[in-house]
Amino acid sequence: DQQVKQNSPSLSVQEGRISILNCDYTNSMFDYFLWYKKYPAEGPTFLISISSIKDKNEDGRFTVFLNKSAKHLSLHIVPSQPGDSAVYFCAASGGAQKLVFGQGTRLTINP
Amino acid sequence: DTEVTQTPKHLVMGMTNKKSLKCEQHMGHRAMYWYKQKAKKPPELIFVYSYEKLSINESVPSRFSPECPNSSLLNLHLHALQPEDSALYLCASSQESTSTEAFFGQGTRLTVV
Repeated sequence: DQQVKQNSPSLSVQEGRISILNCDYTNSMFDYFLWYKKYPAEGPTFLISISSIKDKNEDGRFTVFLNKSAKHLSLHIVPSQPGDSAVYFCAASGGAQKLVFGQGTRLTINP
Repeated sequence: DTEVTQTPKHLVMGMTNKKSLKCEQHMGHRAMYWYKQKAKKPPELIFVYSYEKLSINESVPSRFSPECPNSSLLNLHLHALQPEDSALYLCASSQESTSTEAFFGQGTRLTVV
C-alpha cells in the first residue's frame, strides 16, 4: 500500500523555467510533509517542509503547496537551475517516528 | 555542524563475513535511524533508536543487529548476509523521535557477494 505517491518518475525542465513536482498521499493522519533532494551516491538532504495547518511555505526559490482536501502537495522551483538536477522525494509523517517516502521524481534541468 | 557521518562509504563483503556500519552525529540529536534503500526505490526505515534505546525494529532479519553505544553513535552489525541485502544503507538523526525533520548521512553502499 503506497501511502505517498509521486506519479511522475521523471521530469525535464528548461533552465530558468518553473519546475513543478507533485505528490499525492492517502493517509489523512499525515500532518507534516517534507521534500528531500538526493544526488547520486549521497543521502537525501532536507529541502523544505510544510505543516498541515498551512497551505504554502516558501524558502527562496522553493515553494511547497499543500491541498489537504485533495491530499496533494507540490514543490515549485523557480527559476530552475542546472544544480537542481537530482531525485526529489516527497515524505510524510503522522506524528509518529516514521517518515513515509514517495518513490521519487528525477528532475533534469536542461541548459 | 549539521552533518551525519557514515563509514565506510563502500563495503563489499562475503556471505560468511562479519562487518559493521558506523554512523556519527554531533548535533545533540536523541533519535537516530537506519534506512535501507534499494536501487530506484525510496528509503525504507529499518531501525529507530530514541535516547539510545531501540524503539522500532521494522521486522528486520537477525542478521542485522543495531547498536547505539552513546547518543552520538549508531552502529549496524552485519553477519551472514545474503546477496539481496545489497543496498545503500542510510543513517539519519533528528532532535527527538517525534521530530519530523531528519538529517541524513551520505550512506554506505553495501554489496554482498
